Amino acid sequence: EPEVTQTPSHQVTQMGQEVILRCVPISNHLYFYWYRQILGQKVEFLVSFYNNEISEKSEIFDDQFSVERPDGSNFTLKIRSTKLEDSAMYFCASSRAAGNSYEQYFGPGTRLTVT
Amino acid sequence: AQSVTQLDSQVPVFEEAPVELRCNYSSSVSVYLFWYVQYPNQGLQLLLKYLSGSTLVESINGFEAEFNKSQTSFHLRKPSVHISDTAEYFCAVSDTASYGKLTFGQGTILTVHP
Repeated sequence: EPEVTQTPSHQVTQMGQEVILRCVPISNHLYFYWYRQILGQKVEFLVSFYNNEISEKSEIFDDQFSVERPDGSNFTLKIRSTKLEDSAMYFCASSRAAGNSYEQYFGPGTRLTVT
Repeated sequence: AQSVTQLDSQVPVFEEAPVELRCNYSSSVSVYLFWYVQYPNQGLQLLLKYLSGSTLVESINGFEAEFNKSQTSFHLRKPSVHISDTAEYFCAVSDTASYGKLTFGQGTILTVHP
């Protein structure tokens, strides 16, 4: 069964460093998403991406965040200058098409720890 | 904007007992409703969803949820749980006009004891 994969599973970085979180969505999916979950808090939407453009983004997704689909398989989230409060579990998801009738498939997450 | 409240952070039950995980939502627009499950070290998996039509929706593994518009609730139930149902369950909503943005509750950890 196809699945969304994410690498690395755990990333430790120092405050102010840039990090890139990587995701490989399911191959025939067209919509991609990033969510995050700070420890003890809710899973929060960050951004959705389609046709090489951001479709929707949350207030959290400020200028220090960017997303990219550099090739036909990867979908990345870059955090330019990490802060302590960026420590969280980051989930990538993909769906076959737009709209909420299409199931979002989630990856296992990358735990980002900023020290 | 939408918000979701899951009223119980942890629910311990014994095997073969019934369980209900509660979810209430708030929204000024029409929403779709979802339950996701997360097993240890895995991603969130869609358990069931309500888009329209019958207010009672069922999953393949015996869970069901009922959309109650007047009470703005979407509680998840199972008449008899198994050890393998131990997981964290997330209720989520989405604006029917959005492109898939999900708003999640804080999750309920269901622990099934033998």
